[in-house]
Amino acid sequence: DTGVSQNPRHKITKRGQNVTFRCDPISEHNRLYWYRQTLGQGPEFLTYFQNEAQLEKSRLLSDRFSAERPKGSFSTLEIQRTEQGDSAMYLCASSPGTSGGELFFGEGSRLTVL
Amino acid sequence: EDQVTQSPEALRLQEGESSSLNCSYTVSGLRGLFWYRQDPGKGPEFLFTLYSAGEEKEKERLKATLTKKESFLHITAPKPEDSATYLCAVHDGIQGAQKLVFGQGTRLTINP
Repeated sequence: DTGVSQNPRHKITKRGQNVTFRCDPISEHNRLYWYRQTLGQGPEFLTYFQNEAQLEKSRLLSDRFSAERPKGSFSTLEIQRTEQGDSAMYLCASSPGTSGGELFFGEGSRLTVL
Repeated sequence: EDQVTQSPEALRLQEGESSSLNCSYTVSGLRGLFWYRQDPGKGPEFLFTLYSAGEEKEKERLKATLTKKESFLHITAPKPEDSATYLCAVHDGIQGAQKLVFGQGTRLTINP
């Protein structure tokens, strides 16, 4: 399968714990995005990488959230000191440089904070 | 502030009953309007891009149209497999920004 891969698919954690999600984009795509989606809502933008550079970051993203794409390939999204309000589906997407708004999404990582 | 509003929130149709979904947007300088389909528990799947008023795109039973303030997704003679949430999105108004602003989606159910 050559689509966007996300791990883990499900994560249950206790409030205050740290969690990390991994995204492996489509190999030839240099753009990578993280979105968050809660039930009944559309995806909400978190951050965007072009190669290894983080070029956009939502001002809604608190300093408990950090994302990296160290070699311009896979990316990680870490949430520190999780809160119940962090419970959501975390979606990763990738795209080639010429695609405009055509993003290829993974199946998401669902986070439940107890 | 850039906004995307979709209506209705949910729509239930009988198989073969045609209808339209609406997406209203407010953005400074449209750089594209995008339609996605999302099945339960899956990530969104790209359907169409529209760039200018009057443009239309078609795929099987779906046709997307664009005006200066809204887009419509027309579904003709739908089948149960067309059941999904349909999302529309626009690029953030900041020049060069890659952020997409999504609407809340329309949950479409087609009964056999």
